[in-house]
Amino acid sequence: SQQGEEDPQALSIQEGENATMNCSYKTSINNLQWYRQNSGRGLVHLILIRSNEREKHSGRLRVTLDTSKKSSSLLITASRAADTASYFCATDARYAGGTSYGKLTFGQGTILTVHP
Amino acid sequence: EPEVTQTPSHQVTQMGQEVILRCVPISNHLYFYWYRQILGQKVEFLVSFYNNEISEKSEIFDDQFSVERPDGSNFTLKIRSTKLEDSAMYFCASSHGAWANEQFFGPGTRLTVL
Repeated sequence: SQQGEEDPQALSIQEGENATMNCSYKTSINNLQWYRQNSGRGLVHLILIRSNEREKHSGRLRVTLDTSKKSSSLLITASRAADTASYFCATDARYAGGTSYGKLTFGQGTILTVHP
Repeated sequence: EPEVTQTPSHQVTQMGQEVILRCVPISNHLYFYWYRQILGQKVEFLVSFYNNEISEKSEIFDDQFSVERPDGSNFTLKIRSTKLEDSAMYFCASSHGAWANEQFFGPGTRLTVL
């Protein structure tokens, strides 16, 4: 798999249910960020989790990071129809010496559909 | 809330023409980026820019591409001679720092090369 691969590719749920999306990556990272993109629109930043963090919350969002497995998950609780969008993880690779220039590598994304 | 803005929202050009895409990053941010997303594909990194010079660029960012910060607020991407395969959504992003800093994206410019 490539850096920042999400699964599932598509997820369809009912309003009120929880949605879990997963992301795997290959290289050492400084941080991992999750973004939302509504069809044909810009990328909205959701949450950033640093490599030394294991879990982070923001409203109805919960992100976990397991650097030993090189994976992350995004949980959206009590989903709403307005959560329908594509969700991407993006990793900021750590180069030798811990440097980073901020280049983000994106996955293919998970298309989430929340039915009213 | 401060946001990244981009103009134009849609640009149509003929193959071989030069285009300039414009971005106004968030005012206290120091790092600037361009990404692109071909329809149905992943978002791809093009270039990062800090302290008036390119920090990193991808293989996509060849001699046909250039970036500039002509004044204290604008950040531009120029494509000298557009190709059909340059058709994509181009996103500008900015962050306060490079390491462990959120990158905030603009709404994008849809470039269509005919």
